[in-house]
Amino acid sequence: DTAVSQTPKYLVTQMGNDKSIKCEQNLGHDTMYWYKQDSKKFLKIMFSYNNKELIINETVPNRFSPKSPDKAHLNLHINSLELGDSAVYFCASSQDPAGGFSGYTFGSGTRLTVV
Amino acid sequence: QKEVEQDPGPLSVPEGAIVSLNCTYSNSAFQYFMWYRQYSRKGPELLMYTYSSGNKEDGRFTAQVDKSSKYISLFIRDSQPSDSATYLCAIHSNSGYALNFGKGTSLLVTP
Repeated sequence: DTAVSQTPKYLVTQMGNDKSIKCEQNLGHDTMYWYKQDSKKFLKIMFSYNNKELIINETVPNRFSPKSPDKAHLNLHINSLELGDSAVYFCASSQDPAGGFSGYTFGSGTRLTVV
Repeated sequence: QKEVEQDPGPLSVPEGAIVSLNCTYSNSAFQYFMWYRQYSRKGPELLMYTYSSGNKEDGRFTAQVDKSSKYISLFIRDSQPSDSATYLCAIHSNSGYALNFGKGTSLLVTP
């Protein structure tokens, strides 16, 4: 009965590989997000989807491509992985389009290590 | 200047101490203020939410907002070792599309 679930929790892969991270929420929220948290714990927005439509696409390399097959799912595909992509990636969802009124519910994160 | 500034710490206090965590922000349009707590290797969880100047209390936690100074605080009374975590402030405006997070303050409460 996890509210926001991400898979996998850990991902170790070589440079140049392509990988995907999946996210699903069972809260009935319309908006989902991907955040990247660096080693200093700074959370940076990458993408936001509202009801399957892309709302935010921050300055992220186009090797990163989000896909939302329905409003309960937001997956992140990364091509040609680089060492600098190593980080913890968090999926989140909110009831309102930006989370200002209700805040976010976060998943437990995917720790990506590129070697 | 970053929109939200937060001292990363680490902050170490003895059990039972009063803890004060702070953030400053630059955009006066910000209206909604939150504090998240993040335990090691976990996702952030919403701890406190407020949208007006003044204080909001929830158990041992008090969130304080001073819009005139663009300054928000989280106070933890009678701190416990289980409060050891990273605390992130998050701020939002009506015109924004996502929350703006501070860098987080790492807190350690020692028994």
